[in-house]
Amino acid sequence: DVKVTQSSRYLVKRTGEKVFLECVQDMDHENMFWYRQDPGLGLRLIYFSYDVKMKEKGDIPEGYSVSREKKERFSLILESASTNQTSMYLCASSTRQGPYEQYFGPGTRLTVT
Amino acid sequence: AQSVSQHNHHVILSEAASLELGCNYSYGGTVNLFWYVQYPGQHLQLLLKYFSGDPLVKGIKGFEAEFIKSKFSFNLRKPSVQWSDTAEYFCAVNAKEYGNKLVFGAGTILRVKS
Repeated sequence: DVKVTQSSRYLVKRTGEKVFLECVQDMDHENMFWYRQDPGLGLRLIYFSYDVKMKEKGDIPEGYSVSREKKERFSLILESASTNQTSMYLCASSTRQGPYEQYFGPGTRLTVT
Repeated sequence: AQSVSQHNHHVILSEAASLELGCNYSYGGTVNLFWYVQYPGQHLQLLLKYFSGDPLVKGIKGFEAEFIKSKFSFNLRKPSVQWSDTAEYFCAVNAKEYGNKLVFGAGTILRVKS
């Protein structure tokens, strides 16, 4: 069974802290994605990785960075958390071949106070 | 800008009512189309997908969607909803110019009253 796991379901951090969100997939997928989900805005792509050490900015990369040192693991980093980064963060993965169906993790609800 | 539009943000239905959720996209070429569902407290999961062949696609739990190329639409339907269909539904599109990525609509929250 396909599985994408995320390191935490709930996280509370203070403004200015460095935050790491981790995602692991066991499907040997080449592509991995980080989204944030906010009410009324759907899913917005933060960063995308199509291979180890490769990354591409999504629609809202400001304030975020990513790391992909191993194929199965994709990390999202908030260098200095701010209250406007309070959100649900979703990780997903897909193969490099179409139709590019994505498989999602359970999400991390991050609150920055 | 290229986008995916879901017409209703909130829908409230009684059990046994019929459901149709609209999805329109603005890409002109070949597309792959998806509907995802997120039940309360659960992760997003695929409901159904279209990438070629019969434009009427059947998915899990009695859902279906019809791809109408001339209308750039991929509407989701279910003839008779149940209380357990209460969830948020997302339409997503993959287009050639977007490579391996999906573009998601804003989502429709469906509440089914028992």
